[in-house]
Amino acid sequence: DGGITQSPKYLFRKEGQNVTLSCEQNLNHDAMYWYRQDPGQGLRLIYYSQIVNDFQKGDIAEGYSVSREKKESFPLTVTSAQKNPTAFYLCASSTRQGGTDTQYFGPGTRLTVL
Amino acid sequence: GESVGLHLPTLSVQEGDNSIINCAYSNSASDYFIWYKQESGKGPQFIIDIRSNMDKRQGQRVTVLLNKTVKHLSLQIAATQPGDSAVYFCAEKGGNEKLTFGTGTRLTIIP
Repeated sequence: DGGITQSPKYLFRKEGQNVTLSCEQNLNHDAMYWYRQDPGQGLRLIYYSQIVNDFQKGDIAEGYSVSREKKESFPLTVTSAQKNPTAFYLCASSTRQGGTDTQYFGPGTRLTVL
Repeated sequence: GESVGLHLPTLSVQEGDNSIINCAYSNSASDYFIWYKQESGKGPQFIIDIRSNMDKRQGQRVTVLLNKTVKHLSLQIAATQPGDSAVYFCAEKGGNEKLTFGTGTRLTIIP
């Protein structure tokens, strides 16, 4: 898991509630990413940020929001507009040094909607 | 379109034997490939990577082979151990600078 932390590990939410997932990295990486992982599927990109105060939508951004006020932090909010939020959420970060852009992942947060 | 897939969803290997996990990709413009290992309930762990200007790269007990002619990537794990049991998936980086991930192969090591 390296220097990327996610909290909480497990999160339960009632329908209609917004919840925020935390992601912090101390790797001095410029880029950060949020993915969603469902059983039997590959990782799907929700949002990503290449630099502080800037972020872009990924492939499945609807019902999610992010902020990037600090280089080390990239919180993800799952809003009530997300119709099927139960999933395993993974945060990653990367650096462009060396031109490889390898993404390193945090331990994940499992969100369950009750 | 751009896609990353795996030939086998599950693979069982006797402890001590070598294992080979395969991955096919369709984007000929992809220039960077990564293999990840994911244990149950945990985040993916970087194993090894390879750039498109290489055919082979070796790490500790792992080797990645890249065949650009047939757009095929493989991960070889030598002398498998119980701790190698996990889901392995490949990822490719294409022209849009984003990674595309495969669905994964579950490797089970039989004692």
